[in-house]
Amino acid sequence: GNSVTQMEGPVTLSEEAFLTINCTYTATGYPSLFWYVQYPGEGLQLLLKATKADDKGSNKGFEATYRKETTSFHLEKGSVQVSDSAVYFCALSPTGFQKLVFGTGTRLLVSP
Amino acid sequence: GAGVSQSPRYKVAKRGQDVALRCDPISGHVSLFWYQQALGQGPEFLTYFQNEAQLDKSGLPSDRFFAERPEGSVSTLKIQRTQQEDSAVYLCASSFPRQGGTDTQYFGPGTRLTVL
Repeated sequence: GNSVTQMEGPVTLSEEAFLTINCTYTATGYPSLFWYVQYPGEGLQLLLKATKADDKGSNKGFEATYRKETTSFHLEKGSVQVSDSAVYFCALSPTGFQKLVFGTGTRLLVSP
Repeated sequence: GAGVSQSPRYKVAKRGQDVALRCDPISGHVSLFWYQQALGQGPEFLTYFQNEAQLDKSGLPSDRFFAERPEGSVSTLKIQRTQQEDSAVYLCASSFPRQGGTDTQYFGPGTRLTVL
């Protein structure tokens, strides 16, 4: 079946630290991969996506590369800010389907 | 333009009551999705519409759950005879499908359902 596994949180960092949130997936075919973010009190927002192997998605200083050989889509940011504190969800869309399959989410806490 | 809106934002129901949750998608969006998000978990797919056609309802957990989108715009998720395990945030998302691709889904704020 299709599934997404994310590292458990919370991830606690100081401002300007380097961020990595690991995400691996199981899927048949060639899924599209996504990172969604949920800021406190707000709805889910798309952060970035990649639709084929070796694609890199990027937005707001965040990056993730679609690695088919390791079935991974790790989220990285070189220097986090307090405003990045949120819950981050990795997700996939199986080949031929529109629905999203989400991981359990990783809470990021950034302190000044 | 306006995003996806959902109402009510909060709903408290007594066990056994029926509830109806509404979703207004972004104008012009053809695809509409419902997800259920339990506390501390990621959203889980319930059902998917393309216009008024319900193309996938594989995620509906039981026959107590029913969704409709009769005119291809507003959608209602109905839960009959609510049970405590139905307590969750119900998310609606919409997208405008591109041919041959996977489209960005835009999420509403959700309806938090609490069943007592």
